[in-house]
Amino acid sequence: DAGVTQSPTHLIKTRGQHVTLRCSPISGHKSVSWYQQVLGQGPQFIFQYYEKEERGRGNFPDRFSARQFPNYSSELNVNALLLGDSALYLCASSLMARDTQYFGPGTRLTVL
Amino acid sequence: AQKVTQAQTEISVVEKEDVTLDCVYETRDTTYYLFWYKQPPSGELVFLIRRNSFDEQNEISGRYSWNFQKSTSSFNFTITASQVVDSAVYFCALSEADRGAAGNKLTFGGGTRVLVKP
Repeated sequence: DAGVTQSPTHLIKTRGQHVTLRCSPISGHKSVSWYQQVLGQGPQFIFQYYEKEERGRGNFPDRFSARQFPNYSSELNVNALLLGDSALYLCASSLMARDTQYFGPGTRLTVL
Repeated sequence: AQKVTQAQTEISVVEKEDVTLDCVYETRDTTYYLFWYKQPPSGELVFLIRRNSFDEQNEISGRYSWNFQKSTSSFNFTITASQVVDSAVYFCALSEADRGAAGNKLTFGGGTRVLVKP
């Protein structure tokens, strides 16, 4: 079975632009979570969605938003990009919201 | 608030040596889950283990073993007879099982980089 997939793999944007990252969960998983990992640090929780509803939100500004679609895939949107948004964005899926999270390969975002 | 501390930032060993990674956590909840993930250079976090706060039995899986001590809020991870392929960053993580919430936020430590030299 395919694992969690994310697209694109790499992305380069300039300050002030908008970006959309995409994630497809493991087949049968209904929950998707997003994390930001700055170089040299542990991942930081951004959002969790379950059955298309937001179930958790981390300490990130309103420039960050997400949604989950009927097929359980998800998008993370970041507006008005800042240099500090440069990071590896990881998506994780789980069977249900409380189950073990399995991670995708990530999208590396560079903001110039 | 929950917190995970991995005091060792980097450990370097020679192949076949044992290596132990420390993890100390803080939580106010009585029910919680602890995890270890491995992050190889490719970047993908690989799940290794999940442990319920009520289960303090140590666990062994091949060359990996975990020592959970609730009294000291520690969940340490040992790799026995290390191999070059074990070189990676290892993260300890915590999630609180709040019965009133449906979410499952993971709080990660800063990670420990393990370098196994041939």
